[in-house]
Amino acid sequence: DGGITQSPKYLFRKEGQNVTLSCEQNLNHDAMYWYRQDPGQGLRLIYYSQIVNDFQKGDIAEGYSVSREKKESFPLTVTSAQKNPTAFYLCASSIEEGTGAYNSPLHFGNGTRLTVT
Amino acid sequence: AQSVTQPDIHITVSEGASLELRCNYSYGATPYLFWYVQSPGQGLQLLLKYFSGDTLVQGIKGFEAEFKRSQSSFNLRKPSVHWSDAAEYFCAVSSYNTDKLIFGTGTRLQVFP
Repeated sequence: DGGITQSPKYLFRKEGQNVTLSCEQNLNHDAMYWYRQDPGQGLRLIYYSQIVNDFQKGDIAEGYSVSREKKESFPLTVTSAQKNPTAFYLCASSIEEGTGAYNSPLHFGNGTRLTVT
Repeated sequence: AQSVTQPDIHITVSEGASLELRCNYSYGATPYLFWYVQSPGQGLQLLLKYFSGDTLVQGIKGFEAEFKRSQSSFNLRKPSVHWSDAAEYFCAVSSYNTDKLIFGTGTRLQVFP
């Protein structure tokens, strides 16, 4: 079955270390997204990519970096510059229809819970 | 500025009772509207979406939602709730002239037997 795989499910890091979260999809979707979820705040967009080798900052990109070298993969690096990295991170993908419009439903992975101490 | 409001943070219902989760949006253009559901520790799953046409849309798991332009609302309903419906529900909105999907802060549904 097609889907989105996020790994690992749980991740623990010491403060000051960079950490990379994996996101792989086999849905043949063009667009991929990273969201951060904190209790009571809904989902906030970190980065998104509509095509290979191109990506754009979302609302809370500071302290994060991404790459999109392959259509299937969109890893997220949480750097030591991120002030409050402990959160639940969700990766999503969608078929791009139209010119950059969010009119395609998102397919989500099961998330990675990152704890930084 | 575009925004989505889900006024109810937490709702508790008895199994078999009807359910309505509220969603209000503020958007300059014609909105595309979505409802997603999230079980604990999981990703989000699309319940239903509205782009145009009939303002009452049917989704999966027996859910439906009604788009009311005059009230800027897109409330989610279910006639009879099952214990397995306990989850967090998110309303989201976008438009043809934007590349952003804006999520509400979610409503947590608890179901008592």
